[in-house]
Amino acid sequence: GAVVSQHPSRVICKSGTSVKIECRSLDFQATTMFWYRQFPKQSLMLMATSNEGSKATYEQGVEKDKFLINHASLTLSTLTVTSAHPEDSSFYICSARSGQVLYGYTFGSGTRLTVV
Amino acid sequence: AQSVTQPDIHITVSEGASLELRCNYSYGATPYLFWYVQSPGQGLQLLLKYFSGDTLVQGIKGFEAEFKRSQSSFNLRKPSVHWSDAAEYFCAVGARGGADGLTFGKGTHLIIQP
Repeated sequence: GAVVSQHPSRVICKSGTSVKIECRSLDFQATTMFWYRQFPKQSLMLMATSNEGSKATYEQGVEKDKFLINHASLTLSTLTVTSAHPEDSSFYICSARSGQVLYGYTFGSGTRLTVV
Repeated sequence: AQSVTQPDIHITVSEGASLELRCNYSYGATPYLFWYVQSPGQGLQLLLKYFSGDTLVQGIKGFEAEFKRSQSSFNLRKPSVHWSDAAEYFCAVGARGGADGLTFGKGTHLIIQP
């Protein structure tokens, strides 16, 4: 079945630095990738949608200059948290979908970001 | 805009007992509907999904869900739970065009009593 690999699984960084999270579709071409944020014991909130080769579409309230998304190929999307601050600490999960919606959305295993 | 309501934040069930997790959605048409399970610190695993056709959907791990258009519901059921089913369960809705991401409910935390 469809597999999405997300790395790193955990990262601790100092306040003010940037962190890059990778999301790869291993056995299918992901025409669309999604990035979600999950606060402790809460639901997933969609941050942005990215399509290969085009700019990401951000949800209302998400700072696009802080959360840079690149979807350079059909198998890789990256989320870069720039100038991270403690309030950016969260669980970030990516999801990928092929062109055929019937295959559904496959999720990565998530990245726990802690900014100290 | 679409929305998903999972009215039960926590549910406690004895091992071997039956389970039903509730999910109601709001959407202008028939959406795509999903149930995912999440273990602590992990990503989401798809249990089952509904796109069209038979309103009773079978999933993995013995789960099933029934789409009821009249009630805008997509409740998840399992006839006999196992201790390993303890986890967080999310209901989600997706737009028919598939262009957008999923909208999730707040989740239901399932506790299994021995």
